Amino acid sequence: LAKTTQPISMDSYEGQEVNITCSHNNIATNDYITWYQQFPSQGPRFIIQGYKTKVTNEVASLFIPADRKSSTLSLPRVSLSDTAVYYCLLNQGGKLIFGQGTELSVKP
Amino acid sequence: NAGVTQTPKFQVLKTGQSMTLQCAQDMNHNSMYWYRQDPGMGLRLIYYSASEGTTDKGEVPNGYNVSRLNKREFSLRLESAAPSQTSVYFCASSVYRRGRNTEAFFGQGTRLTVV
Repeated sequence: LAKTTQPISMDSYEGQEVNITCSHNNIATNDYITWYQQFPSQGPRFIIQGYKTKVTNEVASLFIPADRKSSTLSLPRVSLSDTAVYYCLLNQGGKLIFGQGTELSVKP
Repeated sequence: NAGVTQTPKFQVLKTGQSMTLQCAQDMNHNSMYWYRQDPGMGLRLIYYSASEGTTDKGEVPNGYNVSRLNKREFSLRLESAAPSQTSVYFCASSVYRRGRNTEAFFGQGTRLTVV
């Protein structure tokens, strides 16, 4: 099963844009890239999903280059409530495999 | 609309005891999952079910059994609990269609302690 690689932690300040990059060198042709957010003591929550180029929704943007070997989650103007762990996943034959995630800390 | 419901929310077991964690979803999803999450770690997939009556091993299946008797329910059984199975267990469901999963929904988790 292909694994994803993300930075273990990141720090930011309120109002800044945060970009979290995920590496997935062994992505399969038909894999989609999905990002989840997890707060302490809660189950993960879906943020965004994409296959190629750029996807945007009300909370984030996802940038995927042409070779699809990496992806970048962009969170505009973060607030304290965005402090959480962010996971990048690939759909692998239906299985959702989580990596270690990136612990984002937003400071005032 | 309850989403994904897990029972119980908390459980303490003695080593060697058995128990079943229950999970039910009311979103008509075909795929269901069981994960465990140890402190400071990411989620690890225990078992996956693509549809009623089918199950597949995940990353850490040893010591667990699962049952998908109908579309709504997916149970996880520990036959002989060990302290190494102390963890938070999450159940999730999603629709898997045309080669991809749609948004997965997670339960609130079951906090299991084995002493």
